[in-house]
Amino acid sequence: KAGVTQTPRYLIKTRGQQVTLSCSPISGHRSVSWYQQTPGQGLQFLFEYFSETQRNKGNFPGRFSGRQFSNSRSEMNVSTLELGDSALYLCASSLVVSINEQFFGPGTRLTVL
Amino acid sequence: GESVGLHLPTLSVQEGDNSIINCAYSNSASDYFIWYKQESGKGPQFIIDIRSNMDKRQGQRVTVLLNKTVKHLSLQIAATQPGDSAVYFCAEGRVFNAGNMLTFGGGTRLMVKP
Repeated sequence: KAGVTQTPRYLIKTRGQQVTLSCSPISGHRSVSWYQQTPGQGLQFLFEYFSETQRNKGNFPGRFSGRQFSNSRSEMNVSTLELGDSALYLCASSLVVSINEQFFGPGTRLTVL
Repeated sequence: GESVGLHLPTLSVQEGDNSIINCAYSNSASDYFIWYKQESGKGPQFIIDIRSNMDKRQGQRVTVLLNKTVKHLSLQIAATQPGDSAVYFCAEGRVFNAGNMLTFGGGTRLMVKP
């Protein structure tokens, strides 16, 4: 069974631009969560989607948004990029009935110049 | 706000020895706890979890202990191997809005000396 895939793996943007990251969950997984990982703040929860609905949201500004499609694939968007948005963005998927175990993808490394 | 796992950052052990990685949490309303291993260039990998109504859970070469009295979580790795070298995160899980949210600790780097 293929794991969680994220594209692109690396991305360089400049301040003020916007970016869209993509995540394909493990087949059959319907819950997708997004996390931001930085050296200073560690791993922080962004949001969680299930059946195309956002169920939970972390403490991030409105510039961070996401969505989930009917095939469970998810995208997250960051608008008006700031230097502090440079981070590894991780996507995790889980089965509805196995909420404890989230499988993470390799992440997208975003660098904002 | 509440947070999990403020202990850091490097534990160095000899190959074959047992490792103990500790984590403190502050939110007593958590439903479960998870330990993750993250190797360089990869996403976190699930190791083991424990529900908040349990004290101990064992897996293959790993044991997680939960002490709710002092809000402390530990991961014990038996016969540590070079492949165990990584950053280990504890995470608190909560079921919320029919979904689940993880709050991660800062991580501990485990270095295994051959």
